[in-house]
Amino acid sequence: DIQMTQSPSSLSASVGDRVTITCRASQSISKYLNWYQQKPGKAPKLLIYSASSLQSGVPSRFSGSGSGTDFTLTISSLQPEDFAIYYCQQSYSTPYTFGQGTKLEIK
Amino acid sequence: QVQLQQSGPGLVKPSQTLSLTCAISGDSVSSNSAAWTWIRQSPSRGLEWLGRTYYRSKWYDDYAVSVKSRITINPDTSKNQFSLQLRSVTPEDTAVYYCTRGEGLWYFDYWGQGTLVTVSS
Repeated sequence: DIQMTQSPSSLSASVGDRVTITCRASQSISKYLNWYQQKPGKAPKLLIYSASSLQSGVPSRFSGSGSGTDFTLTISSLQPEDFAIYYCQQSYSTPYTFGQGTKLEIK
Repeated sequence: QVQLQQSGPGLVKPSQTLSLTCAISGDSVSSNSAAWTWIRQSPSRGLEWLGRTYYRSKWYDDYAVSVKSRITINPDTSKNQFSLQLRSVTPEDTAVYYCTRGEGLWYFDYWGQGTLVTVSS
């Protein structure tokens, strides 16, 4: 199975900050990398697919980049509603696997 | 707008079968571009992809090796839904279970509301 490792595991930031979360795959996955946001008691929500494509309806302050084994999710200016847990997920090969999550907290 | 509505019991006894259903609106279980997938989430295992069923001129399914001997995911075209059966459950199968739509075979763009299933006697 392909292992996905996110860093950091948690992050404190303030409204207006620029934030970057990293995801590393245990082998090359080309651009088969997706990002999700999850709030308490809710299902994950797709933000970015294929490493850098913004899902319809997702604010443009979210962006993704990377290919191969190293990927990043960037939030350009944090808003109060962005405090949540973020997960990466590879769709290069089954079983599709997720990172352990990055909890973004208010400073 | 696609909506997925999950149903099924929240409590299952050890060694019994966990059964959940996901009713689809706004799309078809027979879609040639979707993959109907079950994912679970627990504190110990995180988000775990369990398996999927999809139609590409014929029906396919594939499953995670960790549950392959115990799992079945079936489409029901008459009711436009799909189901999960997980046999011989143990407390380690306690989790929130989600049904999802995989767009193409790649990413999960619509999710059900989640069902907390507890395995306990």
